[in-house]
Amino acid sequence: EDQVTQSPEALRLQEGESSSLNCSYTVSGLRGLFWYRQDPGKGPEFLFTLYSAGEEKEKERLKATLTKKESFLHITAPKPEDSATYLCAVQERKTSYDKVIFGPGTSLSVIP
Amino acid sequence: DVKVTQSSRYLVKRTGEKVFLECVQDMDHENMFWYRQDPGLGLRLIYFSYDVKMKEKGDIPEGYSVSREKKERFSLILESASTNQTSMYLCASRHGTGVYEQYFGPGTRLTVT
Repeated sequence: EDQVTQSPEALRLQEGESSSLNCSYTVSGLRGLFWYRQDPGKGPEFLFTLYSAGEEKEKERLKATLTKKESFLHITAPKPEDSATYLCAVQERKTSYDKVIFGPGTSLSVIP
Repeated sequence: DVKVTQSSRYLVKRTGEKVFLECVQDMDHENMFWYRQDPGLGLRLIYFSYDVKMKEKGDIPEGYSVSREKKERFSLILESASTNQTSMYLCASRHGTGVYEQYFGPGTRLTVT
């Protein structure tokens, strides 16, 4: 069964304490992997798209990487404003249309 | 700045009522989506539309229908609301059927009593 999992479910970091979030996927034909950030009570906001294994994207304190089976979102020296839920989503090729599967998310709290 | 708007942020309805949730995007996007988001279950796709007057069932279409008469507008209809449809509903749009990111609205928190 095609699925996307994320770990950990929740993460508490001290301000400045770097860490990584994991997104693992089992799909048959990956076309792209997305990372989104979601603040409480709001819709997800797009961060990155990764297309193939070995690719990396960076934005401020965030860096996303992709392998054949998983993606990591590295957060360097996080600040309290980085607190949010981070979602990954995988777009896979299907016969008539692509399907996008979202993971359950990792809730990140950065403590001052 | 791209924008997806939803008709209500919070909505309270009674069991059996017909409920309309509206979504409008101003980006001339071809594709539009309706999701519901529940704790522990993540985002689940209800319906999507590749173009005007086109619709496809997602993973959980039961109890819902949709309408897309104009490119910018995608409506979700709960024919007879039930308590298990209490949820956060999110609308999204996407440029086309390639590998494009989705743009989400702010969400509608629906409570069915």
